[in-house]
Amino acid sequence: EPEVTQTPSHQVTQMGQEVILRCVPISNHLYFYWYRQILGQKVEFLVSFYNNEISEKSEIFDDQFSVERPDGSNFTLKIRSTKLEDSAMYFCASSDLNIQYFGAGTRLSVL
Amino acid sequence: SQQGEEDPQALSIQEGENATMNCSYKTSINNLQWYRQNSGRGLVHLILIRSNEREKHSGRLRVTLDTSKKSSSLLITASRAADTASYFCATGDAYYGNNRLAFGKGNQVVVIP
Repeated sequence: EPEVTQTPSHQVTQMGQEVILRCVPISNHLYFYWYRQILGQKVEFLVSFYNNEISEKSEIFDDQFSVERPDGSNFTLKIRSTKLEDSAMYFCASSDLNIQYFGAGTRLSVL
Repeated sequence: SQQGEEDPQALSIQEGENATMNCSYKTSINNLQWYRQNSGRGLVHLILIRSNEREKHSGRLRVTLDTSKKSSSLLITASRAADTASYFCATGDAYYGNNRLAFGKGNQVVVIP
């Protein structure tokens, strides 16, 4: 069964460093998303991406964040200068028209 | 903005019993979806119900939607130990599911063998 894969599963970084979280969406999907879940809190929408551009973003997705689809298979989330409060589980998702399929997540720990 | 909100309860049941959890939301929606998350894992889609539907079944799952009360329920019948997980509702404002989802806090369900 096709699945969304995310790497790494756990990323530890120092405050102020840049991180890139990587995702390989399901191959025939056209819509891509990033969500995050701070420990003990709700899953929060960050951004959606379609046709090589951002289609929607939340207030969380500020200038520190960027997304890119550098080739036909990868979808990345970059955080330019990490803060302690960026520590969370980051989920990538992809969808056809209806159902969003989620990856297992990357746990980001900012020290 | 839309927001799914589950009843904040942890549910502990015996295997074979039914588990029911509820979700309420604040604004009008076009679809409501339920997801399962096993500890430390990703979100697994369970079922989608549209705003013009009242009830939907999928295997041992039954979802209802009451748009007048802005609420939904998820029933898992004949629960199994493997159903132990957190269950989230998520709302979307488009007919299709390819838009931002607003998740609730989740219900912890423990099924005791």
